[in-house]
Amino acid sequence: KNEVEQSPQNLTAQEGEFITINCSYSVGISALHWLQQHPGGGIVSLFMLSSGKKKHGRLIATINIQEKHSSLHITASHPRDSAVYICAAVYYGGSQGNLIFGKGTKLSVKP
Amino acid sequence: DTGVSQDPRHKITKRGQNVTFRCDPISEHNRLYWYRQTLGQGPEFLTYFQNEAQLEKSRLLSDRFSAERPKGSFSTLEIQRTEQGDSAMYLCASSKGTGRVTEAFFGQGTRLTVV
Repeated sequence: KNEVEQSPQNLTAQEGEFITINCSYSVGISALHWLQQHPGGGIVSLFMLSSGKKKHGRLIATINIQEKHSSLHITASHPRDSAVYICAAVYYGGSQGNLIFGKGTKLSVKP
Repeated sequence: DTGVSQDPRHKITKRGQNVTFRCDPISEHNRLYWYRQTLGQGPEFLTYFQNEAQLEKSRLLSDRFSAERPKGSFSTLEIQRTEQGDSAMYLCASSKGTGRVTEAFFGQGTRLTVV
């Protein structure tokens, strides 16, 4: 079983399109991370949120605690946004650092 | 500060050999984590240190795996008698603070290939 589910698994978009990646989780969480992973492996933390909404540049992350759902939006997508986007949850009762990761969404933005 | 640093970036080893990876966290970060990621999957938690104390180990961390953080700064992850199933990306992350949830910063990873 995977307690953190992401959709879609793969996403191809044209440059300039608005992109949404979804993440759902099965039990209560303390926080949820959105991460970006480029080819070669390195992971960059984009957001950590436990409620509401956060915005950084063209990236917006939202979370609905009641619905156990989070979304990552990319406005005006660009080919350099091509990467794997991963959500990771810290569950109530889970320990610090014991993140439960989704399998990732592979985004490809075509020029 | 250059972020979380991992060494080596790539390692190819023969089955049965021992390998050791190093992680240097961001300098003021007291927490350090190791994760493993296999192809097409999200990372999986292996172990977690707060300062030099190893506070949690995943069941994924078999007897062949050992991690240390002797002075509460850098950490090493050793795999003894490597198996082909150990081939994966090994990721290190660090964070600062004592609260329940703190933001983690990840290294570039060490990609291990066991042949």
